[in-house]
Amino acid sequence: DTGVSQDPRHKITKRGQNVTFRCDPISEHNRLYWYRQTLGQGPEFLTYFQNEAQLEKSRLLSDRFSAERPKGSFSTLEIQRTEQGDSAMYLCASSPWTEAFFGQGTRLTVV
Amino acid sequence: QKEVEQNSGPLSVPEGAIASLNCTYSDRVSQSFFWYRQYSGKSPELIMSIYSNGDKEDGRFTAQLNKASQYVSLLIRDSQPSDSATYLCAVPPEGGGADGLTFGKGTHLIIQP
Repeated sequence: DTGVSQDPRHKITKRGQNVTFRCDPISEHNRLYWYRQTLGQGPEFLTYFQNEAQLEKSRLLSDRFSAERPKGSFSTLEIQRTEQGDSAMYLCASSPWTEAFFGQGTRLTVV
Repeated sequence: QKEVEQNSGPLSVPEGAIASLNCTYSDRVSQSFFWYRQYSGKSPELIMSIYSNGDKEDGRFTAQLNKASQYVSLLIRDSQPSDSATYLCAVPPEGGGADGLTFGKGTHLIIQP
């Protein structure tokens, strides 16, 4: 399967814990995006990488969130000190230019 | 702030009929538009992209773009129960780079057998 892969698919964590999600993009795509989606809403942009450089961050991305893409391959999104409001589907997408191809998503539930 | 508007629905269509989904956008300079299908609990799947005014057909799907009216639509012919999903309209940032796609909230489509 050469699509975008995300891990884990589901994560339940206690409030205050740290969580980390991984995304493996389509190998020939140098653009990688993280989005967050809550019920009844479209995906909301969080951050963008072109190769290993993080070029844009949304104001939605508080200082508890950090993302990396070492060597321009896979990416990680870490949330520190999770809050109940962080409960959402976290989506990774890779792109050759403008259209985005999404992974399966990681559903985070903070209890 | 770029805005993408969609009627959230639900839009109920009998099986075999044409489903028509609409989207308006605020940014006059937008050059490309995307339709994604999202089944409940799943991630969005790209089904159509359109870059120029007029119609683009792909199987049972037709995307229509009118840049002057800032309006893009998706028609689904011969609707099937498997078409029941939420359809998201998306617009890329200027210059095709950072900021990611701006999505509408989606239209929930129900195909009645």
